Formats: sequence, C-alpha cells, structure tokens
Amino acid sequence: DTAVSQTPKYLVTQMGNDKSIKCEQNLGHDTMYWYKQDSKKFLKIMFSYNNKELIINETVPNRFSPKSPDKAHLNLHINSLELGDSAVYFCASSPETSFHNEQFFGPGTRLTVL
Amino acid sequence: GDSVTQMEGPVTLSEEAFLTINCTYTATGYPSLFWYVQYPGEGLQLLLKATKADDKGSNKGFEATYRKETTSFHLEKGSVQVSDSAVYFCALNENDDMRFGAGTRLTVKP
Repeated sequence: DTAVSQTPKYLVTQMGNDKSIKCEQNLGHDTMYWYKQDSKKFLKIMFSYNNKELIINETVPNRFSPKSPDKAHLNLHINSLELGDSAVYFCASSPETSFHNEQFFGPGTRLTVL
Repeated sequence: GDSVTQMEGPVTLSEEAFLTINCTYTATGYPSLFWYVQYPGEGLQLLLKATKADDKGSNKGFEATYRKETTSFHLEKGSVQVSDSAVYFCALNENDDMRFGAGTRLTVKP
C-alpha cells in the first residue's frame, strides 16, 4: 500500500488557470509538507502543516494555498498559474513528536504550464 | 539559519568504483542528518540517517558517519552498481525544519 500518494502524477495546463494537486497519507502522521523541485533538482519547502499550525515559506506566492480537509490530506491549490510554476511538486509527511524523524515522500506531480 | 552544502555533480563512475559524496552542514543545535535518494521519475526515498554525533547510518552498502567536529555527513559506498544511478540529497532536520542540499547526480556506467 502506498504510504504517501499524490494525484495527478502529471498535470499540463494553460497559464492563468487554477489547479489543485491532492495528497493523502495513510501513515497516521500529524505533519504534512509540500515541496517544489525545480529543473535543477533543487528542493524547496513551501509549507508545513499539522492540525495546530500552518507554516508558510515567505518566498511562496500567495497564489499557492494548502487546504487540509482532514489529518490525512493536504491538497495544494494554485491560482492564476504562471510559466515559472512548472516544476515537480512533492508532498511529504512525518510524525509530529520528534525532530529526529525523517519525512516520507510521495511520488511527485509534474506540473507543466504552457 | 540551518543549511546543507553538498558536492556539486554530476558524478560519473564506472561500476565497482568507490563513491564519496561530500556533505557539510550548519546548524544552531544538534540536528538529525539524512541521505535521501531519488531514482529517475520517482519521489525521494530515505537511504540512511543518523541522529547523534558519531552515529553511523548504513543501508544497501551505503554508509555515512555523523561528524560533529567537522559538521559533515559524507556518503560512501565501496563498490557502486549501475542501479545506484540516481540523485542523492543530504538533509538535516532540526526542530522539524528539514533542509535539503542541492542534490548530487550520480551516473554509474557498466
């Protein structure tokens, strides 16, 4: 069974559109994350979220917003897509209780904005 | 703030060669250290980790030792295989703030 899953795997869309990427984890973790990986493979944290707190990387445009319907899901909604948003987006999760914990990653969603 | 610096790639080796990918970090306290691997078209997978000084993480023939005195966590493997071709990320976690290095692409040729 997949621990952290994302849909869709590929997303191709036009500039200006609004799109969402879904993420679900079945690990019972309290904290979930969204990362953006650019074409040079550099990983950048966008958000971390648990049931108490949303931490936003200050460099993330407010066109990006995480939405969590419940503890197992953290979806990423993007308004007014721009060419520079093209990247691979990874969802991840970890237990809340210890800062020693690793993060478990989803397979990624490759977003292409035309 | 905390940060991770790893050697720039790409690294190209022949099968059975010795691998070292250097990683150094800066942190205010005592982070946990990780190596993640990303195979083509896939997400990141944890390769190994170490949670305190002098700990050695190991998995699939890869090893890395947490060196507090040199703030390093270099990844090594004695004999690489073609199937080890991937991008390797060094990372640290301090107070649930995970920071990744830029990644090092390894290509192993038969």
